[in-house]
Amino acid sequence: GIQVEQSPPDLILQEGANSTLRCNFSDSVNNLQWFHQNPWGQLINLFYIPSGTKQNGRLSATTVATERYSLLYISSSQTTDSGVYFCAVITGFQKLVFGTGTRLLVSP
Amino acid sequence: ETGVTQTPRHLVMGMTNKKSLKCEQHLGHNAMYWYKQSAKKPLELMFVYSLEERVENNSVPSRFSPECPNSSHLFLHLHTLQPEDSALYLCASSPREGLAPSETQYFGPGTRLLVL
Repeated sequence: GIQVEQSPPDLILQEGANSTLRCNFSDSVNNLQWFHQNPWGQLINLFYIPSGTKQNGRLSATTVATERYSLLYISSSQTTDSGVYFCAVITGFQKLVFGTGTRLLVSP
Repeated sequence: ETGVTQTPRHLVMGMTNKKSLKCEQHLGHNAMYWYKQSAKKPLELMFVYSLEERVENNSVPSRFSPECPNSSHLFLHLHTLQPEDSALYLCASSPREGLAPSETQYFGPGTRLLVL
């Protein structure tokens, strides 16, 4: 099946810093999504981004489908950005497959 | 977010206990899912239900027994669990099992389970 790898696995930032999270996938996909899981476990969808670039406040995402990767940018990070970020792809079999996750800690 | 609710939020049980986790979705979806999330591990898909029928069981031990009495409710019955089963158990729902590119899964807040 498709492999979805994320890097880095762990990231520690000072509040106000910028960061880039990466998602690599091993096969063509119908869509790619980014999720944020807060420290209490709640997973929320951030972006649908099959290709191109989208921005939502301090977050933006870029997917280069032909090269099978996506990037999530966090600018001016805040402590509330802490948690785990997952990318997930929708395969040709219409399944949602989650990546390995990046655990982010933003310290004040 | 009240679209998908889970109870209890926290559960401590002994290895000989029997307990059940409950999930309810208020989104009118037809597919529901159980995931297991262990510390520092990826999300593991356990079960998928579509229109109340189990369509996927990813080699989950029989000490985990799912039940889907209707499209809004999903249970996970637990018995004779092991300490390594301690994890966050997440329920999710989606409009249908086969997702269109613009669709996604909606997650509950999870039940944090500790097996002693």
